[in-house]
Parts: sequence; C-alpha cells; structure tokens
Amino acid sequence: GESVGLHLPTLSVQEGDNSIINCAYSNSASDYFIWYKQESGKGPQFIIDIRSNMDKRQGQRVTVLLNKTVKHLSLQIAATQPGDSAVYFCAENISKAAGNKLTFGGGTRVLVKP
Amino acid sequence: IAGITQAPTSQILAAGRRMTLRCTQDMRHNAMYWYRQDLGLGLRLIHYSNTAGTTGKGEVPDGYSVSRANTDDFPLTLASAVPSQTSVYFCASSDSVSGTDTQYFGPGTRLTVL
Repeated sequence: GESVGLHLPTLSVQEGDNSIINCAYSNSASDYFIWYKQESGKGPQFIIDIRSNMDKRQGQRVTVLLNKTVKHLSLQIAATQPGDSAVYFCAENISKAAGNKLTFGGGTRVLVKP
Repeated sequence: IAGITQAPTSQILAAGRRMTLRCTQDMRHNAMYWYRQDLGLGLRLIHYSNTAGTTGKGEVPDGYSVSRANTDDFPLTLASAVPSQTSVYFCASSDSVSGTDTQYFGPGTRLTVL
C-alpha cells in the first residue's frame, strides 16, 4: 500500500503499554477536533472526537484530552495492540458557519513492538 | 455495506490528459469533500460541497474541478493533468445536518501523472 509519509514522527510502543500521541493546533477559534487512524493503503478511519466545551472524552481503549489554554490535543491508547500500528492524524474544524472544513495535522506513525 | 466508494483504485496518466476520479456515497450525507495526500504531508482539502448543487474551493483547488449534481456522487476532474498532481486522493462525506461533523473517508485513488 501507499506509504503515508516517510519522514513522519514515529512512536515505538511495546505491546501492552499505553501510547500517547500529541498534536498542537494553531487556531484558537477551532471548536471541534477529531483523531483519525490510517493504515497503509487505506483511507483515514474515525477514532474519536471532542468539542471545545469539553476537556476529556473517553472511548473504547482511547481517551482524547484537550487543553485549550496551550492549544494542545492528545490521544491516549490503552494497552496498545499490534493492530494499533498505523499513522494517526488530528484534525480541527475552525467554524461550522464557514462550512465543515477540517484542517489536518501532519500525522504520527505508531509502531507496536511485540 | 454502507460507505464511500472511489474509482479507480489506481491510475497512471500521461501529462496533459483529462481524468475524472469518481466518488459515491450511500449514507445520504449532505456534505462531501476531496482531499489529496502526499508523502510527508497530511491531507489537504481540494474542493468541497455542503449540499447537492453547491461546491466550494478548499486549500489547493487549482487544476481541479468538481460537480455535485446529486447527493450521492461527487466527481473530481483534472482537466489537464500535470506531474505535481501525482498523489493519493481521498473522498469523504459528513452529515452536517444532524450536527455531526465527523467526516468518513473512502479507500482512496492512487494517481500517478507521468
């Protein structure tokens, strides 16, 4: 499949450990944030989202934290599994009134070691 | 299975040729999008459509055109392909009417312009 990016930041994680992926966003007006997972040769897959009126949201094995003060977003994956190996992108939505247009970060590659 | 389909899966195209990438969704989403993804970069928005009959320009619209004659289909046309348009192209859709901003992606089309 297509290589998403040869020079992406890479996080190597031991199977079973927790993973933390970080993302900085630039626009303080952003009010909606999404994390996507992209496996080689596939399209991005929705993982979890959070709105700006929240600072934490939990899903199945994943937690997203939002710090609006420093414009920082993180994705925590609990008990990382081999199937979690992928490239992870954060995305922000500036304004619903301007149309639902997401701006994507550059991505982080997660490699899970058995 | 409901979702987004794209065609072709991959294509090699001579510079100067015209090419249309097809995208169809069966989720009755009102909004659709086209992105390109290049090595080392995240996804960049080319064009979008908030509803059938309307389209708008994204971050990198030059050299591309779109149409939205109905809810389900959102073709992307390269009128005269150039090598810098070599990329992986992803179509996405979202159901903005319901207040859900999440975009769902197709499997992508890998385009090589020689």
